[in-house]
Amino acid sequence: AQRVTQPEKLLSVFKGAPVELKCNYSYSGSPELFWYVQYSRQRLQLLLRHISRESIKGFTADLNKGETSFHLKKPFAQEEDSAMYYCALSSAGNKLTFGGGTRVLVKP
Amino acid sequence: GAVVSQHPSWVICKSGTSVKIECRSLDFQATTMFWYRQFPKQSLMLMATSNEGSKATYEQGVEKDKFLINHASLTLSTLTVTSAHPEDSSFYICSAATGSEQYFGPGTRLTVT
Repeated sequence: AQRVTQPEKLLSVFKGAPVELKCNYSYSGSPELFWYVQYSRQRLQLLLRHISRESIKGFTADLNKGETSFHLKKPFAQEEDSAMYYCALSSAGNKLTFGGGTRVLVKP
Repeated sequence: GAVVSQHPSWVICKSGTSVKIECRSLDFQATTMFWYRQFPKQSLMLMATSNEGSKATYEQGVEKDKFLINHASLTLSTLTVTSAHPEDSSFYICSAATGSEQYFGPGTRLTVT
């Protein structure tokens, strides 16, 4: 069965500092991975997906199949990046398995 | 575009009663909708996959007679929590899929007293 692990429940960084959210997965097939973000009092929304290989709001994530990781990075964190971030893996039938989530707090 | 609504946004019901939650895709058609449950300070857990015109597929450990899902049209899926008990209190979130992307509703908070 697939599994997504986010080892950090909370990441606290200062504005302008780099931030990296870790995500590891286990899946027997070819993975499709996503990062979702949930800002305070808002619904879950897609941040980025590995197949698009794009940068959204300054965030990037690279799929490393050897390390089964999909870490999310941003070189200079902003206060508006404070939110809950979920790594997710899509399996057959577009079912999503979510990691436990990481709360990011960017301090001024 | 790609907006998903849920109704109600919160509901309180008495133990033993049933409550229905609606999930609508407002500006697109979704052949597949998903229902998730989220406990406080925990992640989303998939409960079931709802396909238009066919029976829902439930994840292991989810009671299909407890959580009735109906996907009557390409824009509406409903989740009915039957004979609700306090342990059913939770945040229920739906998503609607178009292609390989899912769009999430705002969630419904259910409190069973």
